Amino acid sequence: QQQVKQSPQSLIVQKGGISIINCAYENTAFDYFPWYQQFPGKGPALLIAIRPDVSEKKEGRFTISFNKSAKQFSLHIMDSQPGDSATYFCAASMSAGNNRKLIWGLGTSLAVNP
Amino acid sequence: GAGVSQTPSNKVTEKGKYVELRCDPISGHTALYWYRQSLGQGPEFLIYFQGTGAADDSGLPNDRFFAVRPEGSVSTLKIQRTERGDSAVYLCASSLGWGQGLTGELFFGEGSRLTVL
Repeated sequence: QQQVKQSPQSLIVQKGGISIINCAYENTAFDYFPWYQQFPGKGPALLIAIRPDVSEKKEGRFTISFNKSAKQFSLHIMDSQPGDSATYFCAASMSAGNNRKLIWGLGTSLAVNP
Repeated sequence: GAGVSQTPSNKVTEKGKYVELRCDPISGHTALYWYRQSLGQGPEFLIYFQGTGAADDSGLPNDRFFAVRPEGSVSTLKIQRTERGDSAVYLCASSLGWGQGLTGELFFGEGSRLTVL
């Protein structure tokens, strides 16, 4: 059972375009939703994260939109650049004692063409 | 070091052998996680340490897997009687934790790629 469903599996965008990746979750107890970026041969790195008390968070060219009622959140990359080409993972976690283990989506491979 | 360090970066072993993977977290990070990532998949939680104790080992797939963190810093993931299905990248992450303004951000190492022949 995939608790966090991510789409699309892969995405090709032209330089300067907008990249949009979507995630949906099942468990309403989730209260932290990060996006991680992973380059080949590297570990994931936190890109941006949101809590369900806000509907949108923007950091530079990266924006998370959050829809609590639909149990969906998405990552928008504005003015996409070839250096953004990487695999993006959405994730979710809930407070369970002091453990915040992340439940991950399957990832989206983004290619930005020059 | 400045980041999470994992060794070895690559390990090739034969089925049935014993393997140890080491993680050196960021200094001062009390929380340490082990994840496993298979090709084309997201990371899969294995175990979480808070200090020296394994606070949550619910992700360990079976009793061939074991992890320790004896002094609350370096951690070792141990896999006995390795099987071909254990082949994956094993990722370690550390964190300052949650609460009191802390965001719980995970800092990952580059992983140890394990190949079981």
